[in-house]
Amino acid sequence: KNEVEQSPQNLTAQEGEFITINCSYSVGISALHWLQQHPGGGIVSLFMLSSGKKKHGRLIATINIQEKHSSLHITASHPRDSAVYICAVRSQGNLIFGKGTKLSVKP
Amino acid sequence: GAVVSQHPSWVICKSGTSVKIECRSLDFQATTMFWYRQFPKQSLMLMATSNEGSKATYEQGVEKDKFLINHASLTLSTLTVTSAHPEDSSFYICSARKAGGYGYTFGSGTRLTVV
Repeated sequence: KNEVEQSPQNLTAQEGEFITINCSYSVGISALHWLQQHPGGGIVSLFMLSSGKKKHGRLIATINIQEKHSSLHITASHPRDSAVYICAVRSQGNLIFGKGTKLSVKP
Repeated sequence: GAVVSQHPSWVICKSGTSVKIECRSLDFQATTMFWYRQFPKQSLMLMATSNEGSKATYEQGVEKDKFLINHASLTLSTLTVTSAHPEDSSFYICSARKAGGYGYTFGSGTRLTVV
C-alpha cells in the first residue's frame, strides 16, 4: 500500500463544476503539499498545509490531521485548470508523493 | 516569488554519453536542492538530496556514480547522468528549499530520452 493515496486517479468535469480531489496518507507528517503538474511536466506548488484550511482564488485546500486526510477543491472549474494535481507529504525531512489526479475540464 | 530555472527542458542523447542538467535558483539562496525522477504515470521519486558544499545523499537504489550531483553554490545544482542507457530515459525535476524553509520551489523539469 502506498504511503500517500489519491483519489480519483482521473477526473473529467464540465466547465463550471466544483471539483474535489482527495489525499490520504499513512505516515506522520510535518506538512502536506498540493502541487499542480502541467502537461509539459513543470510543477507549481499550490499549497503547503499543516492544519486547517487555505484558500487561494478558486482553490481551497483542507487538512484533517487526526484523519490523515486532505482535500483540494476547485470552484467554478475552467479548462485551464486541466492538469495533474499531486499530493505530497513531508515526513522525516523528505517529500513522499502521491501518483496524482489527472483532471480534464471540458468547455 | 521564488523561481527555479532548470535546463535543458528536453534532451536526446546517444547511449553511452553523459548529460548534464542544471537547476538554478534565481532569486533566493537554496541551501538544499532535491532531484527527482518520474517515469510515465508514476509518482515523483526522490533520487538525492544535496546541501550546498557537501556531498549529496542518495536514496536507496540510486547509483551515485551514475547520477553525479554537484551543489557547489547556493544557487546552482547540477545532475549529470553518466554513460546513459535507454532505461535512464525519464523526466527529471529538481526542487529547491531555502535555509530553514518548509516550502519547495520546483524547476520546470527535463525530459531525457536516450537512444
